[in-house]
Amino acid sequence: GQSLEQPSEVTAVEGAIVQINCTYQTSGFYGLSWYQQHDGGAPTFLSYNALDGLEETGRFSSFLSRSDSYGYLLLQELQMKDSASYFCAVRKGGYQKVTFGTGTKLQVIP
Amino acid sequence: DTAVSQTPKYLVTQMGNDKSIKCEQNLGHDTMYWYKQDSKKFLKIMFSYNNKELIINETVPNRFSPKSPDKAHLNLHINSLELGDSAVYFCASSQRRENTEAFFGQGTRLTVV
Repeated sequence: GQSLEQPSEVTAVEGAIVQINCTYQTSGFYGLSWYQQHDGGAPTFLSYNALDGLEETGRFSSFLSRSDSYGYLLLQELQMKDSASYFCAVRKGGYQKVTFGTGTKLQVIP
Repeated sequence: DTAVSQTPKYLVTQMGNDKSIKCEQNLGHDTMYWYKQDSKKFLKIMFSYNNKELIINETVPNRFSPKSPDKAHLNLHINSLELGDSAVYFCASSQRRENTEAFFGQGTRLTVV
């Protein structure tokens, strides 16, 4: 089987940096994606890591360590609009199946 | 233009009814999915189609039947609706070889009463 773990809730101050961790256990691991979902909205893609290291896209960065089965999403210069749920998702190689974590609800406070 | 569109956005129906949700994508993607998101926001894949061919079928009751008339459309038909089917259903699409980025529709909130 496979499982993903991420914190259920995180609170951070506007302008600060926050890191959302994701640990996974799966066979045939291929890559780790991150999605953002605002309340009442659809998940939207943020980033994807197939190799170890840091991927940066604007204020958001994503990190993967395959040997540690661990990744994180780093959000810098937090804005109020970043308040949302963030999901990590594992892709198994050879298939289109992507399994989502349970999500981390980020609340950005003034 | 909306990349992945699904209709209806809201669906309220009685137990035992049969209902359908439609999905269309104009991204030229080969693969489409149905996901179910429950009240705890857990997002779980139900089905995946690639070029009209079913490639993933998770443990979903056979009351749920996907249909893909062409690679741009993936509809979901649900028979004999039950209270536990109440959830938000998302359609999504991605490129065949690079399911690194999925595009989601706006969701259909199904409420069974």
